[in-house]
Amino acid sequence: EVQLLESGGGLVQPGGSLRLSCAASGFTFSSYAMSWVRQAPGKGLEWVSTISDSGDNTYYADSVKGRFTISRDNSKNTLYLQMNSLRAEDTAVYYCAVPWDFWGQGTLVTVSS
Amino acid sequence: DIVMTQTPLSSPVTLGQPASISCRSSQSLVHSDGNTYLTWLQQRPGQPPRLLIYKISNRFSGVPDRFSGSGAGTDFTLKISRVEAEDVGVYYCTQATQFPWTFGQGTKVEIK
Repeated sequence: EVQLLESGGGLVQPGGSLRLSCAASGFTFSSYAMSWVRQAPGKGLEWVSTISDSGDNTYYADSVKGRFTISRDNSKNTLYLQMNSLRAEDTAVYYCAVPWDFWGQGTLVTVSS
Repeated sequence: DIVMTQTPLSSPVTLGQPASISCRSSQSLVHSDGNTYLTWLQQRPGQPPRLLIYKISNRFSGVPDRFSGSGAGTDFTLKISRVEAEDVGVYYCTQATQFPWTFGQGTKVEIK
């Protein structure tokens, strides 16, 4: 059974940093591209970032480019999202996904003073 | 960026009746590899999204056959042949043909 378990969310002040993790199991993690998608409270889905299976290629939404970094450790079956210079508009539930077959339950990031 | 536009944004449906959601993209979603990466997702209340349909018309494993997808180029449709109570939620179309990947605004399906 495929499982994606996000962690690392929480409350952070504007300008702060947070690192999200997504532990994957039940499939050959190193064979699949992975993505982060976010959903602000009461809003729709927004694609954030995607990383290739090897980690060699990364892609970002303009809204996070230069502030967020996606990475992966295939030896640990884990996906990461390093989020710096956080803004109030980054407040959302962050989902990791095997685009788009499987999704985690999400982790809430709240940016507020 | 490719803009995905869904209509309607809200769809009250009687149980057992059909429902249809349209998704239009601002550019063709045909990839250079010949595939069209148009996907439909369902998000039930309080749940993460769930894959329903990929590459326009392919039902994902475990998805009931009352869900079907069709279309080509820039115009796509998700149909539910007979709406059941468990189909309540928000439906999103999304394209992965070109970065940045983009989602439609979502269509809320509710029971009348």
